[in-house]
Amino acid sequence: GENVEQHPSTLSVQEGDSAVIKCTYSDSASNYFPWYKQELGKGPQLIIDIRSNVGEKKDQRIAVTLNKTAKHFSLHITETQPEDSAVYFCAASEANFGNEKLTFGTGTRLTIIP
Amino acid sequence: DGGITQSPKYLFRKEGQNVTLSCEQNLNHDAMYWYRQDPGQGLRLIYYSQIVNDFQKGDIAEGYSVSREKKESFPLTVTSAQKNPTAFYLCASSHREGNEQFFGPGTRLTVL
Repeated sequence: GENVEQHPSTLSVQEGDSAVIKCTYSDSASNYFPWYKQELGKGPQLIIDIRSNVGEKKDQRIAVTLNKTAKHFSLHITETQPEDSAVYFCAASEANFGNEKLTFGTGTRLTIIP
Repeated sequence: DGGITQSPKYLFRKEGQNVTLSCEQNLNHDAMYWYRQDPGQGLRLIYYSQIVNDFQKGDIAEGYSVSREKKESFPLTVTSAQKNPTAFYLCASSHREGNEQFFGPGTRLTVL
């Protein structure tokens, strides 16, 4: 089955700087890669996702890049703000009809230092 | 107000008792999922259901059971056979043809 590894487990950055979180996956059949943000005591919320037919996707201060050959994808947050502090999870899925199982990474606790 | 609701938010049970966690969605999603979250281990899939009256085991199904009698409801029972049931439990749902999973607020179960 799929295995997703996520690094680093904790990350502290100065407010206004950029943050990068990296994930690798093992199953070359995976073709859908979402990123979730989880605030303390709440359920995860999707912040951005990418499919294997594109290499990069951007939404305001958040971007995700995908390298299918190396089987890794990354989350980039620019101009970080205190409200970006949370735990971030990457995930991978073979997004075919009838198979929507997501395999999650172990999470990155991001702390923005004011 | 559309979304996924889980109740209760906090649940305490004595060891050896079965307990059922509620998950309801009004998003008209076909698929529903249960995850367990432990510190430093991310989310692990317990059970999932792609259609009413059908469900499949996830990666850590032992000691858990589910039912899917209605499209909008997917309750999870934590049985006494689950050796370490204290955890944060998350329910999610998605369209059958889509991949984005929407999560509920979670239930924190503590077994004393």
